[in-house]
Amino acid sequence: QVQLQESGPGLVKPSQTLSLTCTVSGGSISSGSYFWSWIRLPAGKGLEWIGRIYPSGSTNYNPSLKSRVTVSVDTSKNQFSLKLSSVTAADTAVYYCARDTCSGGSCYFDNWGQGTLVTVSS
Amino acid sequence: SYELTQPPSVSVSPGQTARITCSGDALPKKYASWYQQKSGQAPVLVIYEDNKRPSGIPERFSGSSSGTMVTLSISGAQVEDEADYYCFSTDSSGSLWVFGGGTELTVL
Repeated sequence: QVQLQESGPGLVKPSQTLSLTCTVSGGSISSGSYFWSWIRLPAGKGLEWIGRIYPSGSTNYNPSLKSRVTVSVDTSKNQFSLKLSSVTAADTAVYYCARDTCSGGSCYFDNWGQGTLVTVSS
Repeated sequence: SYELTQPPSVSVSPGQTARITCSGDALPKKYASWYQQKSGQAPVLVIYEDNKRPSGIPERFSGSSSGTMVTLSISGAQVEDEADYYCFSTDSSGSLWVFGGGTELTVL
């Protein structure tokens, strides 16, 4: 069973860049036809998909965040990462990484990390 | 932009069938998945490709699709099923992926 674990600072100052890493264990990030996604849950709001990456490096982003988001992958470390620039208080959320199974035009998240709270505050 | 619309809340008594809907213009041609999120926990996939149930998910969870609406049904709902439920799908181009706004299910 694949397991995912988010890591990174829990507090980021406004205007700075939020950086998180997801470490995948129990399987290779490069095996199978899987994408790897970031999703967030702001307090009192609903889930928001941020973006995904394929092990080859191909990416797909939420247009509402695209100008500020970079998702990258390091297959040698079995990790993928999120960078979100110019953060504001509105970016305060629990951030999840997830395995994204896509086939025939369908994508769904069948494995999730436990989530990590990132607070944007000075 | 693209939106998936869910009712904010649904309430049922234990043992009744709970039905949560999700509406979107592209749903006649695009699959949806459903996620259960209990307070303080990560989401869990309960239905994918409109009506398929992952291993380990109880048989009381089922999904259906009709036109621009998909429905998650929980037959014989239990108190332990209380959670927020989200649908997820894409627009007609397949490039914009979104969650519905979420539905809070109360079983009491």
